[in-house]
Amino acid sequence: QKEVEQDPGPLSVPEGAIVSLNCTYSNSAFQYFMWYRQYSRKGPELLMYTYSSGNKEDGRFTAQVDKSSKYISLFIRDSQPSDSATYLCAMIVGFKTIFGAGTRLFVKA
Amino acid sequence: DVKVTQSSRYLVKRTGEKVFLECVQDMDHENMFWYRQDPGLGLRLIYFSYDVKMKEKGDIPEGYSVSREKKERFSLILESASTNQTSMYLCASSPDRSNQPQHFGDGTRLSIL
Repeated sequence: QKEVEQDPGPLSVPEGAIVSLNCTYSNSAFQYFMWYRQYSRKGPELLMYTYSSGNKEDGRFTAQVDKSSKYISLFIRDSQPSDSATYLCAMIVGFKTIFGAGTRLFVKA
Repeated sequence: DVKVTQSSRYLVKRTGEKVFLECVQDMDHENMFWYRQDPGLGLRLIYFSYDVKMKEKGDIPEGYSVSREKKERFSLILESASTNQTSMYLCASSPDRSNQPQHFGDGTRLSIL
């Protein structure tokens, strides 16, 4: 079993939809959680970084962490075609970072 | 903003060549990393360095070596390139405190013919 599981998609939604991206993990030692966005032929860009259970909001993006269920989510409100990208979850314990495989998202105009 | 710069966006080399991939960061980060990214396999750590002249093997170091002579620069070397090393190579850096996120460059898409 992988330490971090993420559905690769692809996920296709119409413009304006609310998008939910999810990851599960098995290592309860993970304390810090990130979401990266990666456009085609570019490197991953850090979107959200959080360490506590609950929600963290940044504009149209909300990161949610449920440590009791070992489950994290990224919500995108009012999705735009420019949100079309691969989204990677990542988790840190100490100096080690584990990445999910990424979910490909397509937002159709 | 953190800036991680990889010297080449696209590179085409031949089997058996020695290949150098260069990465420079401008945030005085102690930690630097090299990954390769392949469809269906995600990001795989090749090597990392937590200080000048220090290096540690990641999950897939075979066929690669690294060099860190200066704090801001981390080089990945393919000693004798093979076709199975065709991939997207990503460099990242992070500060020397635990639990800090990594920041990535835009990658080098390397093709070995």
